[in-house]
Amino acid sequence: NAGVTQTPKFRVLKTGQSMTLLCAQDMNHEYMYWYRQDPGMGLRLIHYSVGEGTTAKGEVPDGYNVSRLKKQNFLLGLESAAPSQTSVYFCASSYPTSGYEQYFGPGTRLTVT
Amino acid sequence: DQQVKQNSPSLSVQEGRISILNCDYTNSMFDYFLWYKKYPAEGPTFLISISSIKDKNEDGRFTVFLNKSAKHLSLHIVPSQPGDSAVYFCAASALRETSGSRLTFGEGTQLTVNP
Repeated sequence: NAGVTQTPKFRVLKTGQSMTLLCAQDMNHEYMYWYRQDPGMGLRLIHYSVGEGTTAKGEVPDGYNVSRLKKQNFLLGLESAAPSQTSVYFCASSYPTSGYEQYFGPGTRLTVT
Repeated sequence: DQQVKQNSPSLSVQEGRISILNCDYTNSMFDYFLWYKKYPAEGPTFLISISSIKDKNEDGRFTVFLNKSAKHLSLHIVPSQPGDSAVYFCAASALRETSGSRLTFGEGTQLTVNP
């Protein structure tokens, strides 16, 4: 099993450009999450999904959109990138009744200039 | 407001000694707590967890202690090994929450174990 994979690993964007980050998991997990990690701030939840076709806002959703068209994939979109979105983005997934252990992908390092 | 806080950004210990990482929380609804370990350029990996019905959980060299009255938990690593050098994140969740199994993370503590 590959677990949780993220594409791309690195990306540099100019302000105003758009992009989509892809997360895929092969563990048949119902729940999926997008986090951002910034220095000194831990991981903050952007959006999450409790099943195919459903999404919900997390702690810092502004400037991001998500879609969960297939159970195994969770996409994070930036429609108009801003320097404040420079961060490392992590995707995670979990079973709904596993005691809240989440499995994380390796991360995407995004720089917006 | 920061509901989960790790007040020590870094900790340095000698190999073979005990490492103690601390975490405080403010939300009384939190009733499940986890520790994650993160190496550079990798995603966090689950280490150990504890439910609020317990005050201690042990897994090999790792023990987590929970003091509900003080809203404090700690992770003990004994003995510490150089391979334990990583960033450790404390996380909390409310089992009673009906949607999403969301976790709230602390800022992280960089542990360095010196040979």
